[in-house]
Amino acid sequence: GENVEQHPSTLSVQEGDSAVIKCTYSDSASNYFPWYKQELGKGPQLIIDIRSNVGEKKDQRIAVTLNKTAKHFSLHITETQPEDSAVYFCAASKGQAGTALIFGKGTTLSVSS
Amino acid sequence: NAGVTQTPKFQVLKTGQSMTLQCAQDMNHEYMSWYRQDPGMGLRLIHYSVGAGITDQGEVPNGYNVSRSTTEDFPLRLLSAAPSQTSVYFCASMRSSSGNTIYFGEGSWLTVV
Repeated sequence: GENVEQHPSTLSVQEGDSAVIKCTYSDSASNYFPWYKQELGKGPQLIIDIRSNVGEKKDQRIAVTLNKTAKHFSLHITETQPEDSAVYFCAASKGQAGTALIFGKGTTLSVSS
Repeated sequence: NAGVTQTPKFQVLKTGQSMTLQCAQDMNHEYMSWYRQDPGMGLRLIHYSVGAGITDQGEVPNGYNVSRSTTEDFPLRLLSAAPSQTSVYFCASMRSSSGNTIYFGEGSWLTVV
């Protein structure tokens, strides 16, 4: 079945540094790749997404890159702040319809000041 | 997570009991889905629906039933609860024309003893 691998599982950085989280997916038909941030006791919150016809997308300090040939995509956070500390999940759409998502196992990001 | 409402927020069940987790959305979204989240496992797709009267299985469907009699509601039923079903459950919805942006509810914490 479809699978999404996410690395690293934990990431610790100093405030102001950059953080990179990488994911690979198996379903060639996937065409939508969102990233979610989850804080303790809450549901996942969409922070950025990218579609298969785009190679890179930026939103202030957050960027996502996609390599469809290699089936991998990455989240880049620059100038990290303590409030960026959370669990981050990547996901890939289940087929082209995108009606549901297959998630990676998550990355716990800790930003120390 | 405005628009996706899950009830109950917390529930304790005895092994063998049955219950239904309710999910409702008021955004007229065609697509709805259920996920479970376990420590270290990320979110895993249980069942999903592309419209009223249509449901399909996800990654981990065993032990769960769903139905979609209306566009607004997508209940998840546990017919005979097992300790392995102790988890946090998230409902999600998406408008088919929204470009795959999926919105999550706040979660339902279920413990089976």
